[in-house]
Amino acid sequence: DVVLTQTPPTLSATIGQSVSISCRSSQSLLDSDGDTYLNWLLQRPGQSPQLLIYSVSNLESGVPNRFSGSGSETDFTLKISGVEAEDLGVYYCMQATHAPLTFGSGTKLEIK
Amino acid sequence: QVQLKESGPGLVQPSQTLSLTCTVSGFSLTSNSVHWVRQPPGKGLEWMGGIWGDGSTDYNSALKSRLSISRDTSKSQVFLKMNSLQTDDTAIYFCTEGLDAWGQGASVTVSS
Repeated sequence: DVVLTQTPPTLSATIGQSVSISCRSSQSLLDSDGDTYLNWLLQRPGQSPQLLIYSVSNLESGVPNRFSGSGSETDFTLKISGVEAEDLGVYYCMQATHAPLTFGSGTKLEIK
Repeated sequence: QVQLKESGPGLVQPSQTLSLTCTVSGFSLTSNSVHWVRQPPGKGLEWMGGIWGDGSTDYNSALKSRLSISRDTSKSQVFLKMNSLQTDDTAIYFCTEGLDAWGQGASVTVSS
């Protein structure tokens, strides 16, 4: 199974600060169809996960553009440019290139 | 508007079978995939399996021997059945449409 390693496990930020979360895959997530199925989700406290970014860098409809994703093959990054209070929660990367689908262990974002 | 709602028993006895239903609206089961994802208390997300638009299924190999996912397209429902439950199957069980839209989750406790 593909192992996704997220760092850091926890992140503390002030409002307005920019932060980045890393997701490294144990194997390339480039699919034979040319797409890379690496997504980012946010789970706010007590809520269901919410898709933020799909296929590395595509912003899901309704998601603020302070969120951005980048990367390729095995190294991926989620950046939040100007953290807001509503961004607190746990961020997960997940891959859908290889079966079984797998998730990273999560990065908890706390607001100082 | 895409919506999903999980339903099922909140308490299951050890060694028994878990049956959950995901009732969906706003999309067609014959065009979109539905997946089951679970989250043990205080832990991360685990993909359990999914059923695709053509009716084919994929399962997490760690659960495959105990898990079955099926659907009734006329009722817009997807079903999860998992047997031989143990205490470490205690979790919130989510259904999700293509990992885009998520249900609120169903809390399941395995206990005698």
